[in-house]
Amino acid sequence: NAGVTQTPKFRILKIGQSMTLQCTQDMNHNYMYWYRQDPGMGLKLIYYSVGAGITDKGEVPNGYNVSRSTTEDFPLRLELAAPSQTSVYFCASSLGQGEIDTQYFGPGTRLTVL
Amino acid sequence: DAKTTQPNSMESNEEEPVHLPCNHSTISGTDYIHWYRQLPSQGPEYVIHGLTSNVNNRMASLAIAEDRKSSTLILHRATLRDAAVYYCILSAGHNTNAGKSTFGDGTTLTVKP
Repeated sequence: NAGVTQTPKFRILKIGQSMTLQCTQDMNHNYMYWYRQDPGMGLKLIYYSVGAGITDKGEVPNGYNVSRSTTEDFPLRLELAAPSQTSVYFCASSLGQGEIDTQYFGPGTRLTVL
Repeated sequence: DAKTTQPNSMESNEEEPVHLPCNHSTISGTDYIHWYRQLPSQGPEYVIHGLTSNVNNRMASLAIAEDRKSSTLILHRATLRDAAVYYCILSAGHNTNAGKSTFGDGTTLTVKP
């Protein structure tokens, strides 16, 4: 299993541009998550999904959109990029069944908005 | 939502034990205590979890206070590869609570040779 994969690894955007961060998991997990991590800080939840067709906002959803058309994929869309969105973005997934719900993280996408 | 409190940073010498504390005074009865760690330039990875009893695995041990308001992650012999940010989070043990676990800023562990 590849686990959670994210593309691209790095990206530089100009202010006002848009882009989609890709996330795919091959573990047949029900739950998927998007986090952002600013330098020297912890992770903040942007959006999450408990299954295909179901998404919900986390702590910091403004400026982002998500969709979940399949179990495997959970893309994150940035519209009108701003310097405040410069961050490292992590996607994660978890089984979503039972009481123990360990999250498995991807390697991250480092985004710079200039 | 129940939050956790951890020291910002800790230092250890190589091959000595490390005790990383976490306070979670508002923990509820169904919350599991999870620990993750994040190595430099990587995503977080699972370390260990527990509910009430102390737990051991190949990576670490987790000691949980009797009142469950605090816990301690124990690395028995720190190595340079253990230098990372360690996160203690409460994972509500129920499917309907997805997205409720919050990562704080964690504890940055420095291991000195």
